[in-house]
Parts: sequence; C-alpha cells; structure tokens
Amino acid sequence: GENVEQHPSTLSVQEGDSAVIKCTYSDSASNYFPWYKQELGKGPQLIIDIRSNVGEKKDQRIAVTLNKTAKHFSLHITETQPEDSAVYFCAASIYGGSQGNLIFGKGTKLSVKP
Amino acid sequence: GAVVSQHPSWVICKSGTSVKIECRSLDFQATTMFWYRQFPKQSLMLMATSNEGSKATYEQGVEKDKFLINHASLTLSTLTVTSAHPEDSSFYICSALRASWAHRGTQYFGPGTRLTVL
Repeated sequence: GENVEQHPSTLSVQEGDSAVIKCTYSDSASNYFPWYKQELGKGPQLIIDIRSNVGEKKDQRIAVTLNKTAKHFSLHITETQPEDSAVYFCAASIYGGSQGNLIFGKGTKLSVKP
Repeated sequence: GAVVSQHPSWVICKSGTSVKIECRSLDFQATTMFWYRQFPKQSLMLMATSNEGSKATYEQGVEKDKFLINHASLTLSTLTVTSAHPEDSSFYICSALRASWAHRGTQYFGPGTRLTVL
C-alpha cells in the first residue's frame, strides 16, 4: 500500500523567512496530493492541493511542487508570519480507487518566531 | 464554501455509556465520509469509511461493534462509541469527500470532537 514520508518533523523559522516541507510517496498510482494545516485542538484545514497532471501550484504565499518521477512533493511558504505556526500534514491518495482514502505523513510542527 | 461541522465539539462521559458524534457537510453533498482518530502529537488514523446508504468499511483493528457508523443522508454521518472506556478517550475527526468533478478527491475536515471517558 501507499506510504508517505514527511520531513522535517519540526521546523523553526524567523518571521519573514521561507519554510519548506517535503514529502515522498511510494505508490506511483497516487494522483492527488493535499496539504493540511492543523492548529491545536482543531480539525485539519485544507490549504492547497495538487493533482498529478500539474507540476506546480501557487496561492499567494503558499506553493506546492510535484515531481512524479521522483515521487515527491513539497510545500513552500514564503514571508512566514507567526499565524503560520501550526502542524502541517501532507497526504496522498488515488482518487477513484479505495474510495479516495488519504494516506497522511506524520506531520511537521512549524514555529514562526517574531 | 465546503464547510463540515461536528457535534458535539467536546464530551465527557462515564465508562460504560455510549456517545454519538454527528458530522455534517453544510454546503455540499458527500457520498463518502471518513472518520479519523488522533492521539496527541500524532497524525490522523483512519478508522472507517462511510458511504451513504451502505455499510461502513472499517480499517484493520477497528472494532465495528464498538464504533457504529451510520451515513443516513448525503450530508450526515454519525459515529457512536458504544460502551466507552477510558482508552477510547481521543480526538475524533470526520471528513467529507466532495462529490464534484472539480473537487474530486478533496476531503474537507470537521473541527473535531474531544471525547473524555472517565
């Protein structure tokens, strides 16, 4: 089955710097890759996603890149702000198979220091 | 858009009682909903997949007689923890799979329910 590895597990940056979180997946059939932000005591919030027919997607300060050949995808946050501090999860799924189950990485705790 | 609600947000109950958690997609239809459990500082663990009008599919190791799931409509799924015990204390989160081509595969999560069993 699919396995998703996420690095780093913790990341501390200074406000205004960029943050990069990387994930690798094992199943080449995976075709959907979302990123979620989870604040303490809350449910995960979808922040950006990418499908296998696209190499890069950007939404304001957030971008995701996908390398299908290498089977890895990354989240890039530019001009980080203290409110970006949270746990970020990457995930992979095969939409249309197994009812779209998401396989999650273990999460990255991002701390943005003012 | 794409809002998922959960009720209650937190619940405390005595050991041996049953607790029902509701998950609703407020502004879209969801033929499939998922139930997750999350322990502190850990990732989400899928418990079961709930399809409208059919029996839920449980992940290995999840007791279907203990965690009863009902998906009665395209906007509502419920999880009932029967005969709860302290080890069932956890953060339970649902998600809904948006049933549209443009959002295929996209899961939207509820805010979670904190269950504490005394």
